[in-house]
Amino acid sequence: RKEVEQDPGPFNVPEGATVAFNCTYSNSASQSFFWYRQDCRKEPKLLMSVYSSGNEDGRFTAQLNRASQYISLLIRDSKLSDSATYLCVVNWGAQKLVFGQGTRLTINP
Amino acid sequence: GAVVSQHPSRVICKSGTSVKIECRSLDFQATTMFWYRQFPKQSLMLMATSNEGSKATYEQGVEKDKFLINHASLTLSTLTVTSAHPEDSSFYICSADRTGGNYGYTFGSGTRLTVV
Repeated sequence: RKEVEQDPGPFNVPEGATVAFNCTYSNSASQSFFWYRQDCRKEPKLLMSVYSSGNEDGRFTAQLNRASQYISLLIRDSKLSDSATYLCVVNWGAQKLVFGQGTRLTINP
Repeated sequence: GAVVSQHPSRVICKSGTSVKIECRSLDFQATTMFWYRQFPKQSLMLMATSNEGSKATYEQGVEKDKFLINHASLTLSTLTVTSAHPEDSSFYICSADRTGGNYGYTFGSGTRLTVV
């Protein structure tokens, strides 16, 4: 089993649609979880942390299910500027981050 | 917020030469920095953890004699790719954090290395 696993996509959705990404991780001891976005040929940028209670930031909602070792990201009312690769990232302990392979999203006009 | 500067952003070098990449934390001190590598259409893979004042910790499969890491100050870590070969061509990214990893990490802008 991969340490952090994501559906690589690509996801092609129309502008305004709602899209959801899923991620699973294998280390039950992990304590910190994040979603990053990475634009083509750029560095990853933190989108949001993920908390057990679920958290929302504008159009973005992140959920964590520790029992199932599952993380999700929901994007509502998608914009053209949301087109990017979304990386599920898990803190593996000792400050080590493990990245999923990323899910590529394209928002179409 | 935390700012991490990485230089150079792009480098082309001849096979057999060495290339040094710098990573600086501009507004905070980083006792630990991380070096990643990303091949096309793949995710970031941690290469090594750079520790200020001590030896770096390398991930399995990463040659420590080929990828030399120096973290001589609290704001600077360097990665030197020695005797570079075309298969070393990749996107190298550093990251650092001042919160122990609980609130995410800040990444440098990356260095695109092409070995010809």
